[in-house]
Amino acid sequence: DTGVSQDPRHKITKRGQNVTFRCDPISEHNRLYWYRQTLGQGPEFLTYFQNEAQLEKSRLLSDRFSAERPKGSFSTLEIQRTEQGDSAMYLCASSLRSELNYGYTFGSGTRLTVV
Amino acid sequence: DAKTTQPNSMESNEEEPVHLPCNHSTISGTDYIHWYRQLPSQGPEYVIHGLTSNVNNRMASLAIAEDRKSSTLILHRATLRDAAVYYCILRPTGSGGSNYKLTFGKGTLLTVNP
Repeated sequence: DTGVSQDPRHKITKRGQNVTFRCDPISEHNRLYWYRQTLGQGPEFLTYFQNEAQLEKSRLLSDRFSAERPKGSFSTLEIQRTEQGDSAMYLCASSLRSELNYGYTFGSGTRLTVV
Repeated sequence: DAKTTQPNSMESNEEEPVHLPCNHSTISGTDYIHWYRQLPSQGPEYVIHGLTSNVNNRMASLAIAEDRKSSTLILHRATLRDAAVYYCILRPTGSGGSNYKLTFGKGTLLTVNP
């Protein structure tokens, strides 16, 4: 297992288009997180899954955003009707439930540019 | 969430020790202190964590003040590959609440000079 994989690494889209990102966590990790990071800022929490259940969504996650984790494995984050303000790095991370006091493993992110 | 305060930036020379400070005066008794770093164009990477005692691992050391209101991440010999943004994060561990969530600040940008 080589860690958390995210695809694509970069995405350029026109305003108004829909985009979907994929995250493949470490296989034995049952918790999965999505974060968003804009230039010069730290990552901001978006949402969290335990297995296939989405247990929390940030207020940052507007109705245009939807995340899924079918069968508790990979996850997808979809943004509908993209806006320029959606331009950011989207980061996925995973962890084991028992590792409450240990580290998350982050992927390298998907950089979204909305033109 | 309890907040942390870090300098915006620090500079170091290669092969010298680096001490990255973090203030967390509102820390609660059940908060762990976590450090992550983010290299350019990468996601954050876990570095180290601790509760009360100083901690060492292969990457760094964490020195925690006796009153736990501050901590220092120590890189014993900085290399060019240590140039990154370093984040100090308090992670609650009590039952209930958002103990699974990491709240990042802006961190400290460490520049390592050759």
